[in-house]
Amino acid sequence: AQSVTQLDSQVPVFEEAPVELRCNYSSSVSVYLFWYVQYPNQGLQLLLKYLSGSTLVKGINGFEAEFNKSQTSFHLRKPSVHISDTAEYFCAVSGPGGSYIPTFGRGTSLIVHP
Amino acid sequence: DAGVIQSPRHEVTEMGQEVTLRCKPISGHNSLFWYRQTMMRGLELLIYFNNNVPIDDSGMPEDRFSAKMPNASFSTLKIQPSEPRDSAVYFCASSLGRTDTQYFGPGTRLTVL
Repeated sequence: AQSVTQLDSQVPVFEEAPVELRCNYSSSVSVYLFWYVQYPNQGLQLLLKYLSGSTLVKGINGFEAEFNKSQTSFHLRKPSVHISDTAEYFCAVSGPGGSYIPTFGRGTSLIVHP
Repeated sequence: DAGVIQSPRHEVTEMGQEVTLRCKPISGHNSLFWYRQTMMRGLELLIYFNNNVPIDDSGMPEDRFSAKMPNASFSTLKIQPSEPRDSAVYFCASSLGRTDTQYFGPGTRLTVL
């Protein structure tokens, strides 16, 4: 079976500061990894994904994530956040352990203060 | 493309009533997912269709919930009878394949009184 753990339920940060949202997954085989963002009263939309190749993945809105197989992590980073980045962020994993159906984490609420 | 379309956007009903939520996936996508989102449980997968066939319905809470996909452009999620604990936001998502990017609809906010 596969699972995803987002270690922080809420991350407050000041505008223009860097941020890291943590995601760990459990799977003994190769997986696909995703980060989605949900703005208030909207559906989720893809930020970035890792399928294979380079472990550093760049996404939209200046976000990037690094796949670390040895630590089974896929942390999301942004060097300088904006007020508009305030949203809920979800990490998801897809692999043979779950019949390739994506499993989502509980989400991390990023709150950017002026 | 208009994206994934869900209707209604909001539904308020009384306990015991039947509720039907509707979803139109993106044209050409062959995978469709229904999710439920609550503060307590987060985002839960209810059912997954591939090429209009239900593949995994292990997340459907109980017999009161049923989902259909009569064709590639339409799916419904029905709750009969509804209960207050069914209050949640229900999302439909579609993708080209189960491992591809999922495109989510705007959701239906259901309130059961």
